[in-house]
Amino acid sequence: QKEVEQNSGPLSVPEGAIASLNCTYSDRGSQSFFWYRQYSGKSPELIMFIYSNGDKEDGRFTAQLNKASQYVSLLIRDSQPSDSATYLCAVNRQGSSNTGKLIFGQGTTLQVKP
Amino acid sequence: EADIYQTPRYLVIGTGKKITLECSQTMGHDKMYWYQQDPGMELHLIHYSYGVNSTEKGDLSSESTVSRIRTEHFPLTLESARPSHTSQYLCASSEYEYSGYTFGSGTRLTVV
Repeated sequence: QKEVEQNSGPLSVPEGAIASLNCTYSDRGSQSFFWYRQYSGKSPELIMFIYSNGDKEDGRFTAQLNKASQYVSLLIRDSQPSDSATYLCAVNRQGSSNTGKLIFGQGTTLQVKP
Repeated sequence: EADIYQTPRYLVIGTGKKITLECSQTMGHDKMYWYQQDPGMELHLIHYSYGVNSTEKGDLSSESTVSRIRTEHFPLTLESARPSHTSQYLCASSEYEYSGYTFGSGTRLTVV
C-alpha cells in the first residue's frame, strides 16, 4: 500500500462546475497536508495546506481534512480551463529525524472543459 | 518571482559524463530536498539536508551525491551519467518542519 494514494484520473468537469479531488494517507501520525498544482512540464506549486480537522477555504479552493478517516480532499469551485493540471497531495512524514519530509501521491489529472 | 533557482533547465549529456545540477535559494531555509520525477509518476525523495554539512539519502536509491557547504546552495552530482538517470530533478526548500516546500523550476536531464 502506498503511503499517499490518489486516483490518477483524468477527472473531467465542465467549466463552472465543482471539481472534487481526494487523497488518502496511511501514517496516522501525519500532521500537515498539502495540495500542489503541477502544470505539464512545470514544477509543483503550493496552493493549499491544512493542519487541523475541518475545512480551510482560500478563494475558489477548499481543503477538507478528516484525520479519523485519514483522508484529505480539495474542492475547486467555479472550475476554469486554467485549472486543468495535475494536483498532487502531499503529507508531512513523521520520524525520528524530524526533518519534515513530504510524501507525495502520484497526482490526479484534472481537465476542465469549456 | 522564484526564490529558488535551478540550473540548467534542460541538459542532454552523453553516457559516462560527470554532471552537477545546481540549486540555490535566497530564503535562508535550512531544509532542502532533491526529488526525482518521471513523467506521470509521483515525486520520489532522493536526498535531503537540514542544514550546512548535514545530508541524508532519501527513499529512492540514487547514484547521485549531494553537498551542503553553504545554506543557500545544494548541488547534486552524478559522477558517471547513464541513460537510466534520464528524469526530471526537482530541488525544494522549506522553512519549518511542518511548512510546505517551495520548488525550483527543475532540471530535465536526458542521458544518451
